[in-house]
Amino acid sequence: GAGVSQSPSNKVTEKGKDVELRCDPISGHTALYWYRQSLGQGLEFLIYFQGNSAPDKSGLPSDRFSAERTGGSVSTLTIQRTQQEDSAVYLCASSLRQGASFSYNEQFFGPGTRLTVL
Amino acid sequence: AQSVTQLGSHVSVSEGALVLLRCNYSSSVPPYLFWYVQYPNQGLQLLLKYTSAATLVKGINGFEAEFKKSETSFHLTKPSAHMSDAAEYFCAVSVNSGGYQKVTFGIGTKLQVIP
Repeated sequence: GAGVSQSPSNKVTEKGKDVELRCDPISGHTALYWYRQSLGQGLEFLIYFQGNSAPDKSGLPSDRFSAERTGGSVSTLTIQRTQQEDSAVYLCASSLRQGASFSYNEQFFGPGTRLTVL
Repeated sequence: AQSVTQLGSHVSVSEGALVLLRCNYSSSVPPYLFWYVQYPNQGLQLLLKYTSAATLVKGINGFEAEFKKSETSFHLTKPSAHMSDAAEYFCAVSVNSGGYQKVTFGIGTKLQVIP
């Protein structure tokens, strides 16, 4: 079946402009995650969705970053007034519902969106 | 809070040689541990995971990792490197946080395989 898809694959923008990054999770996956991958920084957690709600948005670096998810499916990460330090690869992952019990459901990753802010 | 330390951001091995990628973790509760691989311009793919069953975990492509609680380590090994193993490898730890499994990744280790 189809995996996690992200669009665009590459985005070049000018400092100060807003950008929207899209993630289409695997069908039936109710949990969705956004990560940022910067050179030498590894993967940085940004936000977690369960359905359309975001129980954990602790990783969003500033109020310029926001995300939403509609219909329990597609998610959009929006960065307003982009800065050069926002340049990174933004990865989306999805998994089956994360239960309250101590169990783990594998996260499946998309190919990422490479954002370059000039 | 949990954390992961990967020793060596770049590792080079000769084709056919042993691959050893080091990972140490910190967690106040029993963790789940993972290794992911990322090939150029692709997303992360799960190699293997430790979920408190057997301490020696076998994954795809001949990789395995051993959970050593006393050393808080989860090193990744492969007996004989292949050119196709050249990629970036991420160690990750997952603990229950507010009702869901929160995953923390290391900074990654780029593996170069020399012919």
